[in-house]
Order: sequence, then structure tokens, then C-alpha cells
Amino acid sequence: NAGVTQTPKFRILKIGQSMTLQCTQDMNHNYMYWYRQDPGMGLKLIYYSVGAGITDKGEVPNGYNVSRSTTEDFPLRLELAAPSQTSVYFCATKTSGRAGELFFGEGSRLTVL
Amino acid sequence: AQRVTQPEKLLSVFKGAPVELKCNYSYSGSPELFWYVQYSRQRLQLLLRHISRESIKGFTADLNKGETSFHLKKPFAQEEDSAMYYCAFQGAGSYQLTFGKGTKLSVIP
Repeated sequence: NAGVTQTPKFRILKIGQSMTLQCTQDMNHNYMYWYRQDPGMGLKLIYYSVGAGITDKGEVPNGYNVSRSTTEDFPLRLELAAPSQTSVYFCATKTSGRAGELFFGEGSRLTVL
Repeated sequence: AQRVTQPEKLLSVFKGAPVELKCNYSYSGSPELFWYVQYSRQRLQLLLRHISRESIKGFTADLNKGETSFHLKKPFAQEEDSAMYYCAFQGAGSYQLTFGKGTKLSVIP
């Protein structure tokens, strides 16, 4: 099992460009999350989903969009990239249940110039 | 609003010395608390959760509701413990896991 797979691993964007970070999981987990990690700031939740067809905003959703058409996939869309979106992005999944473990992808490092 | 605070950005200890990574939370209900660790060039992964009351790699953490703390402890630090440690919190009825800013532990040989 691959677990949680994120693509691309690295990407450089110009200001105003758009792109999609892909996240796919083969763990059959209902819950999926997108976090961004900035130096000294920890992880901040962008969007999350509790199942196919259901998404909700996290702490820092502005400038991003998500969709969840299948259990396996949870892409994160950046529209009109800005330098403030330079970060490392992590996708994670969790089984249902409050104390469940989060399983993370390897991360996608995005630079906006 | 619920919040997780890790007061130390960086903690350096000598090999064999005790380690304590601090975590405080602000929440009036019954939280779920976790410690996640990120070793160099590895994925972020769960270290332990308070509900399991377990010891992983020699680390323990006790939930102190009176002090609203969940400090991570190890009696004798090893070089392989050098990593970034994140305290995480989930409130009752919430699907969201809130992370602290992290503490970088450096174990000096």
C-alpha cells in the first residue's frame, strides 16, 4: 500500500498562475486534510473533508479551493498564486473516530515568485 | 477559541539527559491530545496520544487537566530523538486537529 501520495513534490510558480496539488490515498479513510507548514508557525489547516462530496474550511482557506468527488482523491487548487502561498503543503488522512491517527503524505514544496 | 502552545522553539540537551517538551492547551471540555514527530527527511508521524497512555520510544506524556498541559518526557535523551515535535489537539465534536508551532529537539552527542 502506498498510503498517502502527494504530487508534485516541488513546484515553482509565478505570481498569478494557478495549479493543483494532488493527494490520493489507498487507505480507504473517510477524513482527509490539507495543511500548510511555514517555518516557526507549525501546521495550519486549510481545508478538510469528512467524506466524498463533503468539504469544509479550516483556519486559512483564502486563496484555495478543494473538491472531494471520490474517497481516494482530495486535490487542492491554488488560484492566482501569491508569494504568501509559498509553503510546504501536507495532505493527511484519518479513519473516522476522534482519537484516530493522522497519516501524512511526504509534502509538496511550493515557491511563488 | 481552542489553542495549543509550545513555548520553546528550540530545545538542546545532551545525550543521556532528561527531556521535557512543553505543551499547554486552552479548552474547557475534554480534549484529545497527541504528539507528532517529524524526523529529518521523513513524514510527519504520530508519536503518542493521551488516550492510549502508552510509552513510545521511551517517551511518555500525561494529560494534566488542572494545568491544561500535555508535556512530553523522556528520562534519557538519545541522538536519534533529534527531530521536530508537534503537540496537537482535537476538541469534542470537532473534526479538526490543531497543531502547535512545534519544538525542535536537538540532542548533543
